[in-house]
Amino acid sequence: DSGVTQTPKHLITATGQRVTLRCSPRSGDLSVYWYQQSLDQGLQFLIHYYNGEERAKGNILERFSAQQFPDLHSELNLSSLELGDSALYFCASSVSSGTAQYFGPGTRLLVL
Amino acid sequence: GENVEQHPSTLSVQEGDSAVIKCTYSDSASNYFPWYKQELGKRPQLIIDIRSNVGEKKDQRIAVTLNKTAKHFSLHITETQPEDSAVYFCAASTYSWGKLQFGAGTQVVVTP
Repeated sequence: DSGVTQTPKHLITATGQRVTLRCSPRSGDLSVYWYQQSLDQGLQFLIHYYNGEERAKGNILERFSAQQFPDLHSELNLSSLELGDSALYFCASSVSSGTAQYFGPGTRLLVL
Repeated sequence: GENVEQHPSTLSVQEGDSAVIKCTYSDSASNYFPWYKQELGKRPQLIIDIRSNVGEKKDQRIAVTLNKTAKHFSLHITETQPEDSAVYFCAASTYSWGKLQFGAGTQVVVTP
């Protein structure tokens, strides 16, 4: 157990819908990262927050957004869902940028 | 941006033999190189990492080497066991950005 928690574990929804994925970092970690893992794209970085502020963006679609709250938990919002958004979404946390990242168990999203 | 290439994509070894996975990176600013092990349906698990000021690091049966001049780093697993079977990912990052750029992964199969 990495100490990073994610909810829900599984999510099945329809195209055009909106979902929210939640992540709680390890105690003491200020950085939260979101990654998408699909069969054809591997592990792709989406976005990084540090202590409530956005630090870096990867290839995150405009339909996706995230935020980190004062208690350091983070949410990833996915809207206008498409079939191709089906993937495993992981969050990871670290003490700060450039330190070891520990991954949560992931949320498996299936868009039908 | 950073690009990480990983080889081989699949690796079959006999139990007790050694396994070597190689990665190359493109951004000379990268200075942090972790390796993750991912079992089917589970989270990536950090198994070892190395920073750019170190050439080699060992942890029991696992070792990582880094050649900054050639921009490549390798994972060595000795005395492989069936429980070493998994997908292994290399990654590269910088202290300032924090985001991990992953290789495509290596499926390692250890046969008894």
